[in-house]
Amino acid sequence: AQTVTQSQPEMSVQEAETVTLSCTYDTSESNYYLFWYKQPPSRQMILVIRQEAYKQQNATENRFSVNFQKAAKSFSLKISDSQLGDTAMYFCAFMKQTSYDKVIFGPGTSLSVIP
Amino acid sequence: DVKVTQSSRYLVKRTGEKVFLECVQDMDHENMFWYRQDPGLGLRLIYFSYDVKMKEKGDIPEGYSVSREKKERFSLILESASTNQTSMYLCASSSRQGYSNQPQHFGDGTRLSIL
Repeated sequence: AQTVTQSQPEMSVQEAETVTLSCTYDTSESNYYLFWYKQPPSRQMILVIRQEAYKQQNATENRFSVNFQKAAKSFSLKISDSQLGDTAMYFCAFMKQTSYDKVIFGPGTSLSVIP
Repeated sequence: DVKVTQSSRYLVKRTGEKVFLECVQDMDHENMFWYRQDPGLGLRLIYFSYDVKMKEKGDIPEGYSVSREKKERFSLILESASTNQTSMYLCASSSRQGYSNQPQHFGDGTRLSIL
């Protein structure tokens, strides 16, 4: 069975600084997707970034980028130029590349951006 | 934009009551999901459905049932509510393209308290 681990329950970063959130996963699959979701306080969970395992190039979305290390089964999220609005729970998630299957979420990392 | 609407943001019920949580999506998505979110545990899948009248058990289905009579609506039912079902409940939906599921879109969540 697939598992997703986020070893940092809480993190903080100064506004405008860079922070990296860690995620590791365990799978025997070769084709899959990885996601980072963001859940601001009392607000809806939204997708931040997505990575297809077959792509070697790391995904980037504006200030958000990932470091995908397939052999190490590591998928970290880097947030550059942190903003107060980045304060949220961040969930790493895994999904096999097949239909009729589910997403496996990690336990989450609570990120606080300090003014 | 995809809209996933959950019927209540906050709900208080008593032990033994039958509780209905409703979720509606407006993007004609094939897949719908119910999760519960607890601190330190991330999101745990209760049930999911990949078509009308179809349902699959997730990781923690005990004490819950679901109904999907129409494509846009997915209901979660607590047959006899207990205090250990006090939690945040999240509904999500996703489309299926070919053999792959697309990223999930989430509702705002229902914070359910069982007294």
